[in-house]
Formats: sequence, structure tokens, C-alpha cells
Amino acid sequence: GAVVSQHPSWVICKSGTSVKIECRSLDFQATTMFWYRQFPKQSLMLMATSNEGSKATYEQGVEKDKFLINHASLTLSTLTVTSAHPEDSSFYICSARSQRLKEQYFGPGTRLTVT
Amino acid sequence: AQTVTQSQPEMSVQEAETVTLSCTYDTSESDYYLFWYKQPPSRQMILVIRQEAYKQQNATENRFSVNFQKAAKSFSLKISDSQLGDAAMYFCAYRSADGNEKLTFGTGTRLTIIP
Repeated sequence: GAVVSQHPSWVICKSGTSVKIECRSLDFQATTMFWYRQFPKQSLMLMATSNEGSKATYEQGVEKDKFLINHASLTLSTLTVTSAHPEDSSFYICSARSQRLKEQYFGPGTRLTVT
Repeated sequence: AQTVTQSQPEMSVQEAETVTLSCTYDTSESDYYLFWYKQPPSRQMILVIRQEAYKQQNATENRFSVNFQKAAKSFSLKISDSQLGDAAMYFCAYRSADGNEKLTFGTGTRLTIIP
């Protein structure tokens, strides 16, 4: 099946620093990747959609200068949380889709804690 | 904009029994896809079942089946012969069929299996 990985699985950073989360499609080429945010005991909220080689499309209310998304290759997308604050602490999940696959396949998520 | 509503925050069922999780949605589109995703404690999102709106036949995957009522905009999930491994958060999700890959999730139902 289609496998998506995320790294790291858990990261702790200090306020004001930046942290990068990687999302990789391991056995398929992901033409589109999605980044979601999930607060404790809540649903997934789409942050942005990225297509390989083009700028990401951000959902309303998501600061694109704070959450930098890069989709430079067909197997890798990165989310960089810049100048992190404690309220950015959350669970970040990516998903990926190819033209061949009908559905999105999800990564295992990354827990970000900002102290 | 589409919305997805899950009115049952929590459900419980005795092992080996059957449980039904409810989901309603609102859309003005005639063609779309509906999904049920499972999120176990590991937080990995797993696709349980998928329904295409233009298909009248209800989707079935082993012990999982749906009751899709298009006119009522209802999409419930039935789990038969419940097993301990079914314990998880279950999210109902909607996706347009117009090429927009965005998934809209409901708020989720936490399912507990009683041994």
C-alpha cells in the first residue's frame, strides 16, 4: 500500500525558534500533499495544500508567513513553523496523494510542543 | 461551504455486538465522496470505508458497512461483531468530486469497546 512518513514524530522547541517537519511519500510520487493540524480531542483542520513545484494554497486564517510549506520534490514536503509560540503546540499531520491513487494517505503525525 | 456533523461525541459497545455511528453533512453539490476514517491511540489516520455519492449501493468492507441516504444527507457507519481493536476515534469526512481534493472532517466519535 501507499506509505507516508513524517519526521520527527515528536519535537520540543523553545519559544521564538523555528522547527521543520518533513513529510515523505515512501513508495509513490505525491503530486499533492496536505498539512493538517489537530488540537487535543478535536478534529483535523486543513492548513494548506501543496502541489509539487508550486506555491502552497493556504486555508483561510492560516498565516502563510508563519507556517512555511515547501514541496520541492514528488516525495517530500516540509512544514516550517517559524517563531514558534506555545499556542502553536499541536499535532501536525500530513497526507499525500498521487494522480494514480484515488485517496489521500496519511502520515503518522508529529507532536510539536513549544515551551 | 460543506459541513460535516457527528452528533455523538462518544459511543460504547459490547465486544461482538453491533454499533452504528452517525454522520450528517450539508452540501449543494450533487457529486461527491464520503469517508469514514479511524484514528486509534497511535494517531495514525486509517481509511475505513469510502462511498461515492452517485452510487446508490452502500459500501461494505468486511465488518464495516454504511447506510448512505443521499436525500437525507446522512452517512452512518455500522460496525458488526465489534472487536477490541475497533476502539478509536472515528471521523466522517466529505470531499467534492470537482477536482478539489480538500477533505472536510466532522468532529469525531470516540468508540469504546467493552470486553
